[in-house]
Order: sequence, then structure tokens, then C-alpha cells
Amino acid sequence: GENVEQHPSTLSVQEGDSAVIKCTYSDSASNYFPWYKQELGKGPQLIIDIRSNVGEKKDQRIAVTLNKTAKHFSLHITETQPEDSAVYFCAASKYAGGTSYGKLTFGQGTILTVHP
Amino acid sequence: GAVVSQHPSRVICKSGTSVKIECRSLDFQATTMFWYRQFPKQSLMLMATSNEGSKATYEQGVEKDKFLINHASLTLSTLTVTSAHPEDSSFYICSASPGGETQYFGPGTRLLVL
Repeated sequence: GENVEQHPSTLSVQEGDSAVIKCTYSDSASNYFPWYKQELGKGPQLIIDIRSNVGEKKDQRIAVTLNKTAKHFSLHITETQPEDSAVYFCAASKYAGGTSYGKLTFGQGTILTVHP
Repeated sequence: GAVVSQHPSRVICKSGTSVKIECRSLDFQATTMFWYRQFPKQSLMLMATSNEGSKATYEQGVEKDKFLINHASLTLSTLTVTSAHPEDSSFYICSASPGGETQYFGPGTRLLVL
């Protein structure tokens, strides 16, 4: 089955700095890579996702890059703010299209702390 | 859009009792719903996948007779933890998919079994 490794496990940055979280996956057939933000005591919130036919996607301060050859993808947060502090999870799935669904395999999570 | 709710948000019960958790997609129809379990400071572990009107598919190691899942409609799935024990205490999270690969997660239910 799929295996997703996420690094680092903790990341501490100063407000305004950039933060980068990296994930690698094992199944070359995986084709969907979402990133989730989870605040304490809450469910994960989808913040950005990328599909295997795209190399990079950006949404304001958040960007995700995908290297299919190397089987890794990264989350980039620029101009970090204290409210970005949370646990971030990457995930991977293999979606076959149509009425099928893709099971998400999650990374271990990264605790991001942004210091004011 | 894409809002998923869970009820209750937290529940405390005595050992041996059963607990039902509801998951609803509020503004879309969910062809597939997923149930996850998350222990403190750990990642999400998929327990089972359910499609409306059919039996749930459980992940390896998850007892289907203990964790009963019913996907009664395109907007509602329930997870019943039967004969709960302290080791079942955890954070249970559902997600729903309107079709395709995207999943939207609920806020989670904190279960504490005494």
C-alpha cells in the first residue's frame, strides 16, 4: 500500500518568515495530493491540493509543488502569521475516476509554530 | 460550501455502553463518507469507507462488529461504537466526498469511555 513520509515533525518560524513542509510517497500511481491544516480539537481543513498533471499550484500565501519523478511534494507558506500555527498534514491518494473514490494516506503531521 | 458536521462534538460514557456519532454533509450530497480515528499527537487512521445504501468497507484490523457504520442517505452516515471500553477513547473524525478525490472533514467527536 501507499506510504507517506512527512518532514519535519515540528517547525518553528518567526512571523513573516517562510515555512516549507515536505512529503514523499511510495506509490507512483498516486495522483492526488491534498494538504490539510488541523487546529487543536478540530477536524482537518483542506487548504490546497494538487493533481499529478500539475507541477505547482498557488493560492495567495500558500503554494504546493509536486515532483512526480522523485515522488515528493511540498507545502510552502510565505509571510507566515501567528494564526498559521497548527498541525499540517499531507496526504496522497490514487483516484481511478468516475464513481470510484480515492483513499487518503496521511503523513505523520508537522506542528508549525509561528512566533510573533 | 462543502460543510460537514458531526454530532455530538464530545461524549463521555460508561464502559460497556454504545455510542452513536452522526456525520452530515450540509450543502452537498456525499456519495462516499469516511471514518477516521486520531489518537493524541498522531495522524489520522482510516477506519472504514461507506457508500450510500451499501455495506461499509473496513480497513484491516478494524472490527466491523464493534464499529457499526450506516450510510442511510447521501447526507448522513453514522458510526456506532458498541460496548465501548476505555481503549476506544479517541477523536473520531468523518469526511465526505461529493464525488471524485476531494474529501471534506467534519469537526470531530471526542469520545471518552470511563
